[in-house]
Amino acid sequence: QSVLTQPPSVSGAPGQRVTISCAGNNSNIGAGYAVHWYQFLPGTVPKILVYGNTNRPSGAPDRFSGSRSVTSASLAITGLQAEDEADYYCQSYDRSLGVVFGGGTKLTVL
Amino acid sequence: VQLVESGGGLVQPGGSLRLSCAASGFSVSDYFMDWVRRAPGKGLEWIGRIKNKDNTEYAASVRGRFTVSRDDSKNSLYLQMNSLKTEDTAIYYCGREKGGSYYVGWLDPWGQGTLVTVSS
Repeated sequence: QSVLTQPPSVSGAPGQRVTISCAGNNSNIGAGYAVHWYQFLPGTVPKILVYGNTNRPSGAPDRFSGSRSVTSASLAITGLQAEDEADYYCQSYDRSLGVVFGGGTKLTVL
Repeated sequence: VQLVESGGGLVQPGGSLRLSCAASGFSVSDYFMDWVRRAPGKGLEWIGRIKNKDNTEYAASVRGRFTVSRDDSKNSLYLQMNSLKTEDTAIYYCGREKGGSYYVGWLDPWGQGTLVTVSS
């Protein structure tokens, strides 16, 4: 059981907007530690999508955006495309556990 | 900038294995370097990180069994795994931490991963 909770799966049609949540607590996200988001495409090297809660690295499409509230964070994907079908993970730090990842969310493009 | 893991394979329960992660395009001595794994059908699990030999950190599930080390002359990262259990079966990734202004940065790049199977 991951300390950061993500929905196991989300889905959307091409062109739609989907969000993936990452719920933590006062020992991790709520303690002020940054949240980072990764994309795992089959057969490829994992890729950073959003770092520091809301920042997009060069090369990441602007269809991906991150947000954060007190003890949770979200990744939003707008204009959904077939190639977005992948697994997505959030990452933060926990005072007791060290670096922590969410359980992962499988995005299906209908 | 690239990371390439090697050393995975089949090992019996209770056995040992050492994974390597060769870096190119940057110096491992300049960054925190991490190991992460992904077990079949499961999510990502952080294993440990190193900045230098006096600055390492481990997940509770591997502390005392796994050791992260670095050889600056070879620009490489290592993961020594002892007392392996069947639940250690996973793809193991190394990653460079970026973002020095954050307490823990993000991993970029990641290696392609190396498969470790612990089975009798």
